[in-house]
Amino acid sequence: KAGVTQTPRYLIKTRGQQVTLSCSPISGHRSVSWYQQTPGQGLQFLFEYFSETQRNKGNFPGRFSGRQFSNSRSEMNVSTLELGDSALYLCASSLEGSTPQHFGDGTRLSIL
Amino acid sequence: QQQVKQSPQSLIVQKGGISIINCAYENTAFDYFPWYQQFPGKGPALLIAIRPDVSEKKEGRFTISFNKSAKQFSLHIMDSQPGDSATYFCAASIGQGGKLIFGQGTELSVKP
Repeated sequence: KAGVTQTPRYLIKTRGQQVTLSCSPISGHRSVSWYQQTPGQGLQFLFEYFSETQRNKGNFPGRFSGRQFSNSRSEMNVSTLELGDSALYLCASSLEGSTPQHFGDGTRLSIL
Repeated sequence: QQQVKQSPQSLIVQKGGISIINCAYENTAFDYFPWYQQFPGKGPALLIAIRPDVSEKKEGRFTISFNKSAKQFSLHIMDSQPGDSATYFCAASIGQGGKLIFGQGTELSVKP
């Protein structure tokens, strides 16, 4: 069974641009969660989608948004990029929600 | 109240020794406590998880001890091996809904 797939693996952008990251969950998983990982703040929850609806949201500005498609694939968008958005963005999927979550290897986003 | 505090930040253990990582939480509504292992360049991988109705869970060399009254839980790695060298994260969540609250992580180094 294929794991969680995130694309692209690496991305370099400049301040002010926007970016879209993609996540394909494990087959059959309906919940997709997104996390930001930085050395200073650790792993922080961004949002969760379940059956195409946002079910949970973390404490991030509105520049961070996401969506989920009918095949459970999810995208995350960050607009007006700031230097502080440089991070590893991780996607996790699960059957119904919190237990258990399986992570992809992330997208490393660097802002110049 | 949503925080999970993890200690120590780093840990050096000799091969064959026991590695112990501790976590504490405030929110008594948390009902799922997983531990993740992360290698450089990879996403977190689920190691073992416990629910608060159980005081201990063992899987191979990995054991979670859970103290509900103290609101603490810990990971014990028996017979630690150099291949166990990684960053370990504890986490907690509430009910359904993929929102994991992570500890700050412990960088474990097992010396041969």
